[in-house]
Amino acid sequence: DGGITQSPKYLFRKEGQNVTLSCEQNLNHDAMYWYRQDPGQGLRLIYYSQIVNDFQKGDIAEGYSVSREKKESFPLTVTSAQKNPTAFYLCASSYSGSAGTEAFFGQGTRLTVV
Amino acid sequence: EDQVTQSPEALRLQEGESSSLNCSYTVSGLRGLFWYRQDPGKGPEFLFTLYSAGEEKEKERLKATLTKKESFLHITAPKPEDSATYLCAVQARSEYGQNFVFGPGTRLSVLP
Repeated sequence: DGGITQSPKYLFRKEGQNVTLSCEQNLNHDAMYWYRQDPGQGLRLIYYSQIVNDFQKGDIAEGYSVSREKKESFPLTVTSAQKNPTAFYLCASSYSGSAGTEAFFGQGTRLTVV
Repeated sequence: EDQVTQSPEALRLQEGESSSLNCSYTVSGLRGLFWYRQDPGKGPEFLFTLYSAGEEKEKERLKATLTKKESFLHITAPKPEDSATYLCAVQARSEYGQNFVFGPGTRLSVLP
């Protein structure tokens, strides 16, 4: 079945640690996105990538890093520079094109600082 | 700056009581407006795409409509299983391609 797989579902980070969230898609989508969701707030864009080896900062990129070495994969690293990383992280993908195309989401990773 | 607002923030309905959710947007170069449903602890599930003013889409008890400034999600005779957060998003043109701007969502509770 085609879809987006995020792992792990739950992740615990100690102070000062870097952690990496995995996102894999088999939908043959060009574009991939990372969003952060906090209680009572909408989705905020962290990074997005339209093609392999290229990505752009979103609204809240500070303290995060990404790579896009393969079309199918878009991992997100939460670095120690991110002071408030506890949140629900969502990865999405979509086709690129002139007309609007919907994004499909993974099931999310809940990151907690301990 | 592209913006999306949604109202109300939360809505409680009795089973069978129809209502509408609002999504207002300001965006340059709209490529599409999207509605999603999100259950607690899950990723958003795609519902509809609307491209131009006057367009309507329906799916079971849900109907989405679009004007030049806002979209409505009409829920007819809702059931408890329709309880979820409903998210609205717009896709806009940007210097680097396209991305999605989401509203804060409307939390819908349907009571039996």
